[in-house]
Amino acid sequence: DAGITQSPRYKITETGRQVTLMCHQTWSHSYMFWYRQDLGHGLRLIYYSAAADITDKGEVPDGYVVSRSKTENFPLTLESATRSQTSVYFCASSDFGRANTGELFFGEGSRLTVL
Amino acid sequence: GENVEQHPSTLSVQEGDSAVIKCTYSDSASNYFPWYKQELGKRPQLIIDIRSNVGEKKDQRIAVTLNKTAKHFSLHITETQPEDSAVYFCAASPGGTSYGKLTFGQGTILTVHP
Repeated sequence: DAGITQSPRYKITETGRQVTLMCHQTWSHSYMFWYRQDLGHGLRLIYYSAAADITDKGEVPDGYVVSRSKTENFPLTLESATRSQTSVYFCASSDFGRANTGELFFGEGSRLTVL
Repeated sequence: GENVEQHPSTLSVQEGDSAVIKCTYSDSASNYFPWYKQELGKRPQLIIDIRSNVGEKKDQRIAVTLNKTAKHFSLHITETQPEDSAVYFCAASPGGTSYGKLTFGQGTILTVHP
């Protein structure tokens, strides 16, 4: 049971390039999220999705694009990477409705460096 | 939007002592308050959570208290052990279908010395 997996785990790119971070979960959770983690800021919500084809902005959505054509996948795209997007990105999933819990299950994280 | 402040940023204790981490929030609509533990290089994991209709919740050595009037909540760890060393994050959300729209505090680095 893989749970929730992210790829790539590490990525170095250059300013202006497009980068896509992948997230895949095997639990059929309805909700999926993308957070970024930066020193001094904790984790900040970028985008979330309540179900396939339903996405919404979080606290820091600028410069990011998401899609959710299938329940199990929630890719995050940086259309034109900037140095300020250097961060560790965490994907998470949850099943609030069925499980009556607010717990988020996080992936292992993707460390992105923009040069 | 919601703003969550967490203190202290670092906390050092001796094994067996208690540790307390405090958070304040700004949005009175928040009613779900989880705590996540993140070990070095690992993913955050939920350790305990509390909803606004409850003032206190305990799970073995970990407890969380909530004061909705004052808009603050705290994590208490008793009989600390070296494996409790990690970064702890508090968070707040409106709950309901927005459980996952968490606003996190800045984190507390807890070090437990043997």
